[in-house]
Amino acid sequence: QSALTQPASVSGSPGQSITISCTATSSDVGNYNYVSWYQQYPGKAPQLMIFEVSNRPSGVSNRFSGSKSGNTASLTISGLQAEDEADYYCSSYTSSSSLLLFGGGTKLTVL
Amino acid sequence: QITLKESGPTLVKPTQTLTLTCTFSGFSLTTSGVGVGWIRQPPGKALEWLALIYWDDDKRYSPSLESRLTITKDTSKNQVVLTVTNMDPVDTATYYCSHHLIDRIFDSWGQGTLVTVSS
Repeated sequence: QSALTQPASVSGSPGQSITISCTATSSDVGNYNYVSWYQQYPGKAPQLMIFEVSNRPSGVSNRFSGSKSGNTASLTISGLQAEDEADYYCSSYTSSSSLLLFGGGTKLTVL
Repeated sequence: QITLKESGPTLVKPTQTLTLTCTFSGFSLTTSGVGVGWIRQPPGKALEWLALIYWDDDKRYSPSLESRLTITKDTSKNQVVLTVTNMDPVDTATYYCSHHLIDRIFDSWGQGTLVTVSS
């Protein structure tokens, strides 16, 4: 069964850059350019940060960027700020019957 | 501006059927390419996609829950309804509805509604 695997946690100091990976167990991510990333604060709804692998919706800081290589998509946050501390989820379509998948989420801690 | 809001019971008993309504504004579910999806999140856990309904009434379900889910739309009321049968305590979660476009997947979300399953 398809799945999207993210690291449970990442951390970084203010001003640094961090990267969160999202690896598909099959060719789901590799076959599609429809990978999205969401930011979620505790008790709040997720917010779209990246769509189509590397596009930012209007209003999202250019410190957030996305990329993809093979079956792994990545979210990079540069110039880390305290306000970036949140949970981050990737999502993608899948060619299997699952249609849509979310990753398990990554907790970002800004030290 | 797109807004969505979930409504429904906050507490259901095991084996009961849950009915949730998503009321939206700022877009039409008759526009080609548009959909509304339901996603849930158990406390402290990850997001899980449940169901999607498209402008043309095409419906898609998560395979793991498909037998228990039904999604419908009422375009005149700008509403999407999700029913989940045979609720179990493991279905306790915050349920979100979201605006869907194929390239953005879920780009606008409701605030979510916490549903607790307990006797």
